[in-house]
Parts: sequence; structure tokens; C-alpha cells
Amino acid sequence: SQTIHQWPATLVQPVGSPLSLECTVEGTSNPNLYWYRQAAGRGLQLLFYSVGIGQISSEVPQNLSASRPQDRQFILSSKKLLLSDSGFYLCAWRIGTHGSPLHFGNGTRLTVT
Amino acid sequence: QQQVKQSPQSLIVQKGGISIINCAYENTAFDYFPWYQQFPGKGPALLIAIRPDVSEKKEGRFTISFNKSAKQFSLHIMDSQPGDSATYFCAARDTGNQFYFGTGTSLTVIP
Repeated sequence: SQTIHQWPATLVQPVGSPLSLECTVEGTSNPNLYWYRQAAGRGLQLLFYSVGIGQISSEVPQNLSASRPQDRQFILSSKKLLLSDSGFYLCAWRIGTHGSPLHFGNGTRLTVT
Repeated sequence: QQQVKQSPQSLIVQKGGISIINCAYENTAFDYFPWYQQFPGKGPALLIAIRPDVSEKKEGRFTISFNKSAKQFSLHIMDSQPGDSATYFCAARDTGNQFYFGTGTSLTVIP
């Protein structure tokens, strides 16, 4: 069966510091991968998605970037964090065929101080 | 612009009661409508989903009602239990496999 791993679970970082969040999927090949951000009391905002290695689409221009160095690895990064980057970051995956559902990891709670 | 509008923002229901959460959309290209359940500190988990060619889907105590002409769909939780207390998100997927989420409903079931 397929599983998704996200780490770390929680992170406290000072303003201006770099960020690296990692997500890996097991049990499937060539998944579509997504990064979402969930702010308190708000819905899920799509940040990036990827349909293959090195293929990244950005939905929202901001202080973040994403990379997909391997088929089942998705990384969310920032060179300098802002206070507004605080939130709950969720990685998600789906099989690349039309009709497959979206599955989420357990998220990373990021607090920028 | 919010592609999927969800209401209410919060809901309190007595144990054994029916919880109803509503969503509306505008994009007729949406072809798949899932509901997700999220507990604090966890990621959303797929609960139940429906396609627009079906008006209702039931899985245990959870039922999706879908009204294609009105572009609305709702989640009904029958015999609500304290363990159902969570945040629920509706979503819609377009033909490009992009998912659009509602803003969530915080459900509290009182024992």
C-alpha cells in the first residue's frame, strides 16, 4: 500500500532563516505531488504541484520554492522566512491517472518567530 | 476567488443528531467531489466522494447529496458521535486534475 511521509512534524524558525520541508511517497511510481498551506480558519491553499521529476508548477507567487529531485520526493524551501510563512504545510499525492483521489500527509506545523 | 464555497464555518450537534455541511460551486467542469475529515494536528483524510452523474452516495453514517442543477453538494452525518468532532472540507476537481477546497467546517458533537 502507498504511504506518504512528511517531516519534521513541527518546526520553529526565526525570521530570515532558511527552510526545507521534505515529503516522500512509498508504494507507487510517478505520483503527482502537491504542497498545500493551511492557515488557521482557512482552507487549503495550493502552493506547488509536480507531475514528474524536475517539473514544478507554482500556483501562488511568494517566498517559497519547490523541487522534485527524485520521483517520490518533494521538497519545499525558502531562502529567508517571513512571519507570514507561518502555517500548516501539507504534502499530498495522487496517482497520475485522471480520476484518482488526493491523499495527504500529516503535515508540518511551521512557526516563524 | 473561492471556487468552492462551504458553510457553515462551525457546527455544534448533539450526540445522535444529524450534521449537515453544505458546499456550492460555479465551475461546471468539476467532475469529482470529495469530502475530507481532518483531526487536529493531522492531515485531511479522504472520507467519501461522489461524481456528478450520481445524486447520492452513502457509506455507513456518511452520505453525500449532490444537486447538479443547483451546483450544490452536501455531507450528512447521521447519528453523529463525539468521535466525529473534526474539521470537514469539501472539494472539487477539474478536468486538469486540480483540486479546489472549501474553507472548512469545524464540527463539534456534544455527548
